[in-house]
Amino acid sequence: DTAVSQTPKYLVTQMGNDKSIKCEQNLGHDTMYWYKQDSKKFLKIMFSYNNKELIINETVPNRFSPKSPDKAHLNLHINSLELGDSAVYFCASSPTSGVSEQFFGPGTRLTVL
Amino acid sequence: DQQVKQNSPSLSVQEGRISILNCDYTNSMFDYFLWYKKYPAEGPTFLISISSIKDKNEDGRFTVFLNKSAKHLSLHIVPSQPGDSAVYFCAARGAQKLVFGQGTRLTINP
Repeated sequence: DTAVSQTPKYLVTQMGNDKSIKCEQNLGHDTMYWYKQDSKKFLKIMFSYNNKELIINETVPNRFSPKSPDKAHLNLHINSLELGDSAVYFCASSPTSGVSEQFFGPGTRLTVL
Repeated sequence: DQQVKQNSPSLSVQEGRISILNCDYTNSMFDYFLWYKKYPAEGPTFLISISSIKDKNEDGRFTVFLNKSAKHLSLHIVPSQPGDSAVYFCAARGAQKLVFGQGTRLTINP
C-alpha cells in the first residue's frame, strides 16, 4: 500500500550504459515529478508531468528522458550514463500542479562506475 | 545561484529543549514555503507549511515563522524528541515548482 514507489532502490552500472528508473503512485494524483539529489545534498527538480503532459523541464541533458504512460506512472530513462549522473533520484507526486505538498518515493541511489 | 539556503549542515539539541532550524531565500516571488523531514533511506515527508501572507503557522510541536523583509524562515520544534532526529529541508514555491535547500541534520540527544 506504498503511496509512491520507485524501482530499483539501488542501481550500480558502468559508464555509457542506458538505464531506467520506474515510479508509480497510487494516490490518484495528477502531477508527478523527478528530482535529483546531488553530492551537495540539494534536491533539484528535473521534470514535472501533469496528466501525462510535460509541464516542467529544467536544464537537464537530453540523455534524460521521462516517460509517462499514464498519470500513475512516470519513468526516467537515462542514456549513455556518465560519472556525474551518480546521485539519488526521487520521484514525487501531488494532487495537482499547483499544490505544493508533494509526496515522495524512497529514492533510487544511482552509482555510475 | 542557489535560491534557498540552509547554512547549518547540522544541529544537535538536548531532548526536551527547543530546536530551531533556519532557512534563507533570495527570490521575493516565492509565495509559499514548506518544511520536509527525511529519515535515512526514505523520501522526504511533508511537515508544515506557510503562505507568504502569514508570518506564523503552528501545528502541535512545530511552528514555522516567516520574516519576509529578511527573506528568512525558521522551524521551531518544542519540546524536541528523539524521533525528531532527521534531515530537515526547507522549500519555497515559485513558477509551479519547489526549490529546496540542502538540508540540516538534526540530532536530538537524550
